[in-house]
Amino acid sequence: NAGVTQTPKFQVLKTGQSMTLQCAQDMNHEYMSWYRQDPGMGLRLIHYSVGAGITDQGEVPNGYNVSRSTTEDFPLRLLSAAPSQTSVYFCASSLAGSTGELFFGEGSRLTVL
Amino acid sequence: TQLLEQSPQFLSIQEGENLTVYCNSSSVFSSLQWYRQEPGEGPVLLVTVVTGGEVKKLKRLTFQFGDARKDSSLHITAAQPGDTGLYLCAGARTNAGKSTFGDGTTLTVKP
Repeated sequence: NAGVTQTPKFQVLKTGQSMTLQCAQDMNHEYMSWYRQDPGMGLRLIHYSVGAGITDQGEVPNGYNVSRSTTEDFPLRLLSAAPSQTSVYFCASSLAGSTGELFFGEGSRLTVL
Repeated sequence: TQLLEQSPQFLSIQEGENLTVYCNSSSVFSSLQWYRQEPGEGPVLLVTVVTGGEVKKLKRLTFQFGDARKDSSLHITAAQPGDTGLYLCAGARTNAGKSTFGDGTTLTVKP
């Protein structure tokens, strides 16, 4: 059972570089979302999607782009990395019509120098 | 604006003690989840509460949802070192596709 798979697990970038965090789920969940976790601040929503072709901004979307071309994949793109984007990123999925339970990946730790 | 506030932020207790963690909201949610997260891993769902006044038990863990569906508590009886971790509450609205998280409670249970 793969569930939600995130890659890479660790990444170091220099300021101004771009990269994509990959997220894939094999549970046929309609909803997918990206969160960042910083010390003492819980999880903050970056972007989310309620289905293929549909995305929306969360609480902290600036500096990030997303797209959802398939049900399975929801990549997160950093356009021009900044030190403030140093964080642990979690992808999650959930089933439409459920009571909101999220299934998380193992996280991607990003450091921007 | 922080919609979900958890308290306490940190809790360090001895094995065998009881504890309660609180999650308070300024908004009404359709449901509320509690997750547990260990270092280097993603959060894992413990329970969902949906009905106001609902009480759910998971072994030594008891979860309550307030009558107004704006607050919740997690009570652990006779805590064990294996309970150590970060406990997160999250609120969800039906078919919104997203959740709002509290800042978490870091629990350390010393043997």
